Amino acid sequence: AQTVTQSQPEMSVQEAETVTLSCTYDTSESDYYLFWYKQPPSRQMILVIRQEAYKQQNATENRFSVNFQKAAKSFSLKISDSQLGDAAMYFCAYRLYNNNDMRFGAGTRLTVKP
Amino acid sequence: NAGVTQTPKFRILKIGQSMTLQCTQDMNHNYMYWYRQDPGMGLKLIYYSVGAGITDKGEVPNGYNVSRSTTEDFPLRLELAAPSQTSVYFCASSTRGNYGYTFGSGTRLTVV
Repeated sequence: AQTVTQSQPEMSVQEAETVTLSCTYDTSESDYYLFWYKQPPSRQMILVIRQEAYKQQNATENRFSVNFQKAAKSFSLKISDSQLGDAAMYFCAYRLYNNNDMRFGAGTRLTVKP
Repeated sequence: NAGVTQTPKFRILKIGQSMTLQCTQDMNHNYMYWYRQDPGMGLKLIYYSVGAGITDKGEVPNGYNVSRSTTEDFPLRLELAAPSQTSVYFCASSTRGNYGYTFGSGTRLTVV
């Protein structure tokens, strides 16, 4: 069974600094998708970034980028120039290419200090 | 742009009662999903649908039922509520299964 592990229950970063959130996953498949979602206190789940496993190039969305290491089954999220609005729970998620069961990690709570 | 709308936002049920959580999307997405989020945990898939008239079980379907009579609506039915069903429920939709999902704002359900 596919599992997603986020080993950091909580992280803290100073405003304007950079922080990296870790995620590892377990699968024997080669075709899949990886996602990072943000959940602010409003509870709304917001897609931050998406990565296809067949692409070697790491995905980037403005201040958010990933470090995708397929062999190591690692998918970390880097947030640059952290802002107060980045404070939220961040969930890593995994989905097989032709499967509708998206698996989520337990989340990392990010605090941004002014 | 409403996106995915869930009602109600909060609900308290007594053990043994039944209720339906409503979910509607206006993006013409074929794929719809129901997840539950327990405290300190990630989301777990309850049921999903790939189109009107088609539904299938996810990881934790016991105690729930769904239907998909239209593209827009995907209600989740709880029969005989139990304390173990206390959770936050999220509905989501997507254009294709391999794209990121659009989530509703969730329903916080407490069973006492």
